[in-house]
Formats: sequence, C-alpha cells, structure tokens
Amino acid sequence: DVKVTQSSRYLVKRTGEKVFLECVQDMDHENMFWYRQDPGLGLRLIYFSYDVKMKEKGDIPEGYSVSREKKERFSLILESASTNQTSMYLCASSFQGRYYGYTFGSGTRLTVV
Amino acid sequence: TQLLEQSPQFLSIQEGENLTVYCNSSSVFSSLQWYRQEPGEGPVLLVTVVTGGEVKKLKRLTFQFGDARKDSSLHITAAQPGDTGLYLCAGHPNAGNMLTFGGGTRLMVKP
Repeated sequence: DVKVTQSSRYLVKRTGEKVFLECVQDMDHENMFWYRQDPGLGLRLIYFSYDVKMKEKGDIPEGYSVSREKKERFSLILESASTNQTSMYLCASSFQGRYYGYTFGSGTRLTVV
Repeated sequence: TQLLEQSPQFLSIQEGENLTVYCNSSSVFSSLQWYRQEPGEGPVLLVTVVTGGEVKKLKRLTFQFGDARKDSSLHITAAQPGDTGLYLCAGHPNAGNMLTFGGGTRLMVKP
C-alpha cells in the first residue's frame, strides 16, 4: 500500500524551540509539499519541492524552512517555534503533471506552548 | 491567484438524504479533484475529472465537471454516517503545476 508517512502524529513544543517535522514517501514521487491546516483558513501551502535539493516558497513560508536531501524525504523546520505556529501540518506528494492527485500523510498536530 | 469557492461550508443531514456540494471558480482548470478528509487524518483523493462535462460515479457519489471546466459538483445519494467528513475540491490551473484547494465543505450525516 503506497503511503506518505509523517514522523509524529502529535507534538508539543515550547516557544523558541527548533522543530523538525519529517515526511517520507515510498511512491517515487517527484513533488512533495508541506501544508498547514487551520479552522476557517483551509489548506495553506508553506513550501514545496519538485526535485531533490530544490525548494519553492508557497503562500506562507515565513518562519519555516525545508530540506530535501533525498527524493523520498522532505523535512519542514520551524526555526524558532511560536504559538501562532500551533496547527495541523500535512505533508503530500505527487507525480509531476496536471492530472495527478496528491497523496497526503496523516498529519502532525503541533502545539507550541 | 485562482480561487475555488465551495458551498455550502457546512451541511448536517439525516442518514438516507441526498445532497450536492458545489465547487465554483471564475478560472478554467485543466483538471479538478475531490478529496475527503476524516477527522485527524489527511485528505484522501476520491476522483479526478479532466474533460468538460465529464461525469464520474463512485458507488453513491457522482462527480461532474462543468462544460467550461470552471466548476464541479459532488452529489451523494442516500448519505450514510460513514460519509461524514470534510470534502475538498482542488483544481490544476491551465498554467502551473500546483493544485489550488477550495475551502471545503464539512458534512455531518446523522444516524
């Protein structure tokens, strides 16, 4: 069964901590994405990557960075966590092309206290 | 930015009722997808439609892509509690490689 695996389902971190969210896919997808999902705001794209070592900013990149050293792994980094980064974080992957859907992970619910 | 507007935002119905969810835009999309997201999980792809006027059926779910490829609808017949979830439409614009997501329709089906 193909899947996108996010390293943690729930995380609680303190303000100012550096936080790493890991995502691994086993489908040989070129594209990988990080979204955050908040009530009333829908899915918002943070960063995406269309190839190893390539990254593009999404709609809300401030306060985040990413790393893609291997095709199957895409990491989201919160450089200095803040309470307004409390959210559900979703990783997704897809083949390149306009007719392919995204496969999402189960999400990481991050709480920053 | 190409926007996708979904309506209604919330829908609460009884088991056995029929319902339709709409996804509208002023822009043309080369393809459109529907996802369902259950609480605490990521969205799961239900269907992709690519041709104007296309209709696809998935058991009790019927998906339609508008003739002009600017809108889509999802119709559920005889809804069941297992249909409860957040339904998201998402479109690939004619230019670019990124999906645009709608705001979602939260459906609750009561037994």
